[in-house]
Amino acid sequence: GQNIDQPTEMTATEGAIVQINCTYQTSGFNGLFWYQQHAGEAPTFLSYNVLDGLEEKGRFSSFLSRSKGYSYLLLKELQMKDSASYLCAVRDSNYQLIWGAGTKLIIKP
Amino acid sequence: GAGVSQTPSNKVTEKGKYVELRCDPISGHTALYWYRQSLGQGPEFLIYFQGTGAADDSGLPNDRFFAVRPEGSVSTLKIQRTERGDSAVYLCASSWDNEQFFGPGTRLTVL
Repeated sequence: GQNIDQPTEMTATEGAIVQINCTYQTSGFNGLFWYQQHAGEAPTFLSYNVLDGLEEKGRFSSFLSRSKGYSYLLLKELQMKDSASYLCAVRDSNYQLIWGAGTKLIIKP
Repeated sequence: GAGVSQTPSNKVTEKGKYVELRCDPISGHTALYWYRQSLGQGPEFLIYFQGTGAADDSGLPNDRFFAVRPEGSVSTLKIQRTERGDSAVYLCASSWDNEQFFGPGTRLTVL
């Protein structure tokens, strides 16, 4: 079967750095996505990785290792508005997105 | 330009009733997806359209669920004989390149 694993909840302090991990087992791989979802709102796109390595975009970076079936999302200089759920999704051989359950990130002052 | 819109934003219905949920994708996006999301879970894939045709409907849970996109733009998700277990947020997304743009969702509550 297909499986995406990520921690259910994490807590971090404003101004700090947090790393959210995602491991996956899917039938085929055509890219990994990270989305941010605030409570009661739709997911919004953060990043896309298809090759191994680090993609940096402002305060957010995403890393991929295809051989390990592993990705992480790194958030720097945390702000209160970063409190949200972060969803990892993998595009499988059918080009469909398989979604993790999301990691709820709580930022404390 | 406008993003993806969905109507209604909330729908409360009784068990056994029929409901229609509408999605207006971003103009020019040929790919359209329907998902449903329960609290504390990621989106669950239902159906994918490329143009007017359903390219993949493998996520539809049973034959009570049906979706159409007759002119390759607006899509309607139809649920017959609703059940309490159908209660969820139904999300629509249209796609350009590698990014899916989500609508605000329709919260369906079946009493």
